Amino acid sequence: GAVVSQHPSWVICKSGTSVKIECRSLDFQATTMFWYRQFPKQSLMLMATSNEGSKATYEQGVEKDKFLINHASLTLSTLTVTSAHPEDSSFYICSAHTPGDTQYFGPGTRLTVL
Amino acid sequence: GQQVMQIPQYQHVQEGEDFTTYCNSSTTLSNIQWYKQRPGGHPVFLIQLVKSGEVKKQKRLTFQFGEAKKNSSLHITATQTTDVGTYFCAGRPGGTSYGKLTFGQGTILTVHP
Repeated sequence: GAVVSQHPSWVICKSGTSVKIECRSLDFQATTMFWYRQFPKQSLMLMATSNEGSKATYEQGVEKDKFLINHASLTLSTLTVTSAHPEDSSFYICSAHTPGDTQYFGPGTRLTVL
Repeated sequence: GQQVMQIPQYQHVQEGEDFTTYCNSSTTLSNIQWYKQRPGGHPVFLIQLVKSGEVKKQKRLTFQFGEAKKNSSLHITATQTTDVGTYFCAGRPGGTSYGKLTFGQGTILTVHP
């Protein structure tokens, strides 16, 4: 299947700092990528839909100024958690949408904010 | 809004026993997909069902899509320890934008050797 990479795989940062997470589709072009957040033993919550060359579409309740999404190319989307706080600690997973209407997930980024 | 409910939340089985997880949507779905997430890992795509009443098999796994396209099930025959993980269903409601999925809560499967 399609390969999606995510970097970094884990990050620890101090409260108030910003963290950038990259999501890349390695062997295909993805016009649409999705960003999810997952708390321990819970389901994936869609945060936003990232569209190449246009603004991201955020789900209700997700602060667009806090979670900045950029989809500058067909193979790269970035999520920046700005002014991170401990409550932002979570597992962030991206996925890339394929023409077959399936999604291939990146390995995830575990963010810990101290 | 559209909801996808999945039961049970947890299932503990002895190796060799069967396992089933059920998924129900409040609205008709265009398709339903199943994913497996191993502990500490990320969701991995298993299968997609599109047609009403569709049944697909992958070795010991059997996937069904209901006639009304509002429910689905995943059945594993003779579980093995390698089946451990969380199984998620994810549906795309009819009329929603291409690719946007709503995930069920997941069923955490534990297999005792």
